[in-house]
Amino acid sequence: RKEVEQDPGPFNVPEGATVAFNCTYSNSASQSFFWYRQDCRKEPKLLMSVYSSGNEDGRFTAQLNRASQYISLLIRDSKLSDSATYLCVVNLKDSNYQLIWGAGTKLIIKP
Amino acid sequence: EAGVAQSPRYKIIEKRQSVAFWCNPISGHATLYWYQQILGQGPKLLIQFQNNGVVDDSQLPKDRFSAERLKGVDSTLKIQPAKLEDSAVYLCASSFNGMDNQPQHFGDGTRLSIL
Repeated sequence: RKEVEQDPGPFNVPEGATVAFNCTYSNSASQSFFWYRQDCRKEPKLLMSVYSSGNEDGRFTAQLNRASQYISLLIRDSKLSDSATYLCVVNLKDSNYQLIWGAGTKLIIKP
Repeated sequence: EAGVAQSPRYKIIEKRQSVAFWCNPISGHATLYWYQQILGQGPKLLIQFQNNGVVDDSQLPKDRFSAERLKGVDSTLKIQPAKLEDSAVYLCASSFNGMDNQPQHFGDGTRLSIL
């Protein structure tokens, strides 16, 4: 089993719809979590950190479920500009604070 | 605030040749990372520095890859000799201190093509 798993997609979603995807992690010692966004042929950029209580930033909501070991990202009222690959990142709180990256979920918003 | 600087943006070489990439992290960031990202995959950590010391190089193919960060600021990653499977984007990232909840900031990357 991979340490961090994501559905590769692509998720094809009409503009204005709500879309959600999950990321599962295998190490229960994982301490911090992030969602990054990566546009085609660009570098990853931090979208949001994921806190234990969940957090919201405009149309984006991130949740953490420690019992089931997954994090989720919800995008409401999707825009064409939301088309990108969304990468899940998990930080193991060991001596090296190793970051484990998922392979990403590709999202395509259609007009 | 200036971002992470990387050069070159693109590099094309033949297999068995050598290549080097350079990275200058955000000022004041102690932690520097080199990643390899193959098309369709997530970034794979090659090496992580904390100041000028190596924290994690477990996935660095040490027979051909080397990296250094001698003064704890900028860093170089070298491949010698290159193989076809090294074709990828090489991303450099930095974070303030690599600790819990510290996000990484990425450079534009170097796109390497091996012929």
